[in-house]
Amino acid sequence: EAGVVQSPRYKIIEKKQPVAFWCNPISGHNTLYWYRQNLGQGPELLIRYENEEAVDDSQLPKDRFSAERLKGVDSTLKIQPAELGDSAVYLCASSLVFGYEQYFGPGTRLTVT
Amino acid sequence: EDKVVQSPLSLVVHEGDTVTLNCSYEVTNFRSLLWYKQEKKAPTFLFMLTSSGIEKKSGRLSSILDKKELFSILNITATQTGDSAVYLCAVLYNFNKFYFGSGTKLNVKP
Repeated sequence: EAGVVQSPRYKIIEKKQPVAFWCNPISGHNTLYWYRQNLGQGPELLIRYENEEAVDDSQLPKDRFSAERLKGVDSTLKIQPAELGDSAVYLCASSLVFGYEQYFGPGTRLTVT
Repeated sequence: EDKVVQSPLSLVVHEGDTVTLNCSYEVTNFRSLLWYKQEKKAPTFLFMLTSSGIEKKSGRLSSILDKKELFSILNITATQTGDSAVYLCAVLYNFNKFYFGSGTKLNVKP
């Protein structure tokens, strides 16, 4: 069984540039999560999808971040424009049902210069 | 304010030692607590706990939840260098909220 796939694995951009991350969850997993993890911290939930519906985006900085999950499968997370403080690892996870075991992708390490 | 606190922040032990990691929480409408191991990349699932006093065990790792005192412990016996990682706990609460602690960084020396 393939795991959660994310791309790119690394991204370096200059501030004020846009950036997008892509996630393909495990087949059949209805719940998809985007997290941001800063060094020395636990993952911070940005947005959670149940199928194609964003059911919790309370921690998503909506002035510059956006996300979508078309057809309830793949998802993209976008930042526009990026700021220096956005440098972090962006993790995508999926689970069969919300609240149960989450399977994480390898993450995208973003560096904003 | 809801919170999840892990202790210690970091720990250095030698192979063969036993370690106990702690996760305490103060949240509304607690549902479950999960433990994850994070090496250099993504967190991997260890245990999910919902009931007090029932130990979950997998090899040298075990965990238990105390819902009265609002904490969970993760025990690792006979530690090995491969146990070196950050151990994260996460709490599901308030019906639809999910919050990770900052983790305990474990370093097992040969």
